[in-house]
Amino acid sequence: SGVTQPPSASGAPGQTVAISCSGSSSNIGSNTVSWFQLVPGTAPKLLIYGNDQRPSRVSDRFSGSKSGTSASLAISGLQSEDEAEYYCAAWDDSLAGWLFGGGTKVTVL
Amino acid sequence: EVELVESGGGSVQPGRSLRLSCAASGFTFDNYAMHWVRQVPGKGLEWVAGITWNSGIIRYGDSVKGRFTISRDNAKNSLYLQMNSLRAEDTALYHCVKDRGRLEDILYYYGMDVWGQGTTVTVSS
Repeated sequence: SGVTQPPSASGAPGQTVAISCSGSSSNIGSNTVSWFQLVPGTAPKLLIYGNDQRPSRVSDRFSGSKSGTSASLAISGLQSEDEAEYYCAAWDDSLAGWLFGGGTKVTVL
Repeated sequence: EVELVESGGGSVQPGRSLRLSCAASGFTFDNYAMHWVRQVPGKGLEWVAGITWNSGIIRYGDSVKGRFTISRDNAKNSLYLQMNSLRAEDTALYHCVKDRGRLEDILYYYGMDVWGQGTTVTVSS
């Protein structure tokens, strides 16, 4: 009942990168998804909650979506400052706890 | 501004105990659930435990059940994690994290928003 992300993704400046997050009926399929950005040396930052809701301080270049047991984070207009690790998270009903994906390292070419 | 500052990390031998603390400020601490999440280099994030605003509901990740205890003192705006029977695999950066839900008696819906920078725990002989 894990949550799976690709280990890496990349794109040139200005392009759009999409990161997938694949789960099951006990987690993504029945609960909302959040996305977090991790930059070394700084506290993790919430980018998306409730599948597609963005906190006010987060750039609108970040967008989230969910369909069935999968979710996706898109980063448009890619910038060098977007180089970071990105994690999805969802509550798992079977485990009665939060599950994180394995993380995706985004590289700006 | 919401701020979470963890402390209490350090190096310990396997089987020993450690108590982490988190000092919260910038928000009404006793209105929100809180979580501990750990970050293992090269292995990502793992949810450790969560506690509702009034300590009415407490949940643990499978890997720490029976060994770790989460608690809070709302009068002191503080969150704690008592870690017993520590193992090498508990080595990680431990983050204190605020939940989004206000005065909710659940841990599963709203999710986490503000994170502290973390305190490092190293378990090694």
